[in-house]
Amino acid sequence: AQSVSQHNHHVILSEAASLELGCNYSYGGTVNLFWYVQYPGQHLQLLLKYFSGDPLVKGIKGFEAEFIKSKFSFNLRKPSVQWSDTAEYFCASFGGSQGNLIFGKGTKLSVKP
Amino acid sequence: DSGVTQTPKHLITATGQRVTLRCSPRSGDLSVYWYQQSLDQGLQFLIQYYNGEERAKGNILERFSAQQFPDLHSELNLSSLELGDSALYFCASSDNTGELFFGEGSRLTVL
Repeated sequence: AQSVSQHNHHVILSEAASLELGCNYSYGGTVNLFWYVQYPGQHLQLLLKYFSGDPLVKGIKGFEAEFIKSKFSFNLRKPSVQWSDTAEYFCASFGGSQGNLIFGKGTKLSVKP
Repeated sequence: DSGVTQTPKHLITATGQRVTLRCSPRSGDLSVYWYQQSLDQGLQFLIQYYNGEERAKGNILERFSAQQFPDLHSELNLSSLELGDSALYFCASSDNTGELFFGEGSRLTVL
């Protein structure tokens, strides 16, 4: 079965630090990849998505992600985090025989002011 | 605002009871998904419907059932509730690119 792995359970950074959250997916065929964010007490919102084309994808709020097919990875990055980025981040993949979006377990990001 | 509406926002009930959660998808979306989010299990996929038919099933307990109606709204029925069923239940709809649009969730507390 397809799976999505997020390597970090909880990341703590100071404001202005750079962020990279790891994500690996298991399906070897064509996949659509997503990063969602869940701010405290809120629902999941889309940060960015990759379907095809340029493997460097830019999303909202200064986030970007790079699709590396050979590594089955889709890591999320931000050059300089802010306190308002404190949230939980979920990587997800859609593709293959499964008709539903598969989520990773999520990474909690805490940004210290 | 994602365009997905869920009711009720909060629900408190007792063990053994039955509840129904309701979801209206975005206009035009045929797929509806249900997810359960709890502290210990994370975000768990429960079930997906597409245009009234069950499309995919995840970790959904036998005590839980769902359906999608001709107007495309969906209901998730949770019965014989246990303390461990306390969670946030999200509904999402999709245009089949895989991008999901989530509702604000229904927070269920079982006492």
